[in-house]
Amino acid sequence: GENVEQHPSTLSVQEGDSAVIKCTYSDSASNYFPWYKQELGKRPQLIIDIRSNVGEKKDQRIAVTLNKTAKHFSLHITETQPEDSAVYFCAASAAGNTGTASKLTFGTGTRLQVTL
Amino acid sequence: KAGVTQTPRYLIKTRGQQVTLSCSPISGHRSVSWYQQTPGQGLQFLFEYFSETQRNKGNFPGRFSGRQFSNSRSEMNVSTLELGDSALYLCASSPDRVAKKDPEAFFGQGTRLTVV
Repeated sequence: GENVEQHPSTLSVQEGDSAVIKCTYSDSASNYFPWYKQELGKRPQLIIDIRSNVGEKKDQRIAVTLNKTAKHFSLHITETQPEDSAVYFCAASAAGNTGTASKLTFGTGTRLQVTL
Repeated sequence: KAGVTQTPRYLIKTRGQQVTLSCSPISGHRSVSWYQQTPGQGLQFLFEYFSETQRNKGNFPGRFSGRQFSNSRSEMNVSTLELGDSALYLCASSPDRVAKKDPEAFFGQGTRLTVV
């Protein structure tokens, strides 16, 4: 089955700096890669996603890049703010087979701390 | 538009008992997936239901089961509870290919199950 590795497990940056979280996946059938942000005691919230036919996607301060050949994808957060502090999870799914984001395989999470 | 609703939010059960958790997906979503979140194992896929049929299953023992009703609401059942079943159980609903271009999965707030 699919295996997703995520690094680093913890990341501390100063406000205004950039943060990068990296994930690798093993199953070449995976074609949908979402990123979730989970604040303490809250549900995971989708912040950005990318499909395998796209190399990069950006939404304001957040961007995701995908290297399908190397089977890795990354989350980039620029101009970090204290409210970006949370646990971030990457995930992979062969969504194209069913049309739904089913059977997501998650990375182990990155705890991002943005300090003032 | 109402989000994914899970009930109850908190449960305390005794070893050996059984428990049923409920999930109401976003209106129009036919795919419902269940995940177990623990500090040690992270987010792990349990199963997915689509149009009342189990479409995908994770690597959990048969004590974990589920079903989906004609209105897409889903229930998850865990029989013969063990201490290790203590976790946050999350469900996610996803639109299908016909309904939406991108296969996003939206999570409910989860049910916190404590087995004593």
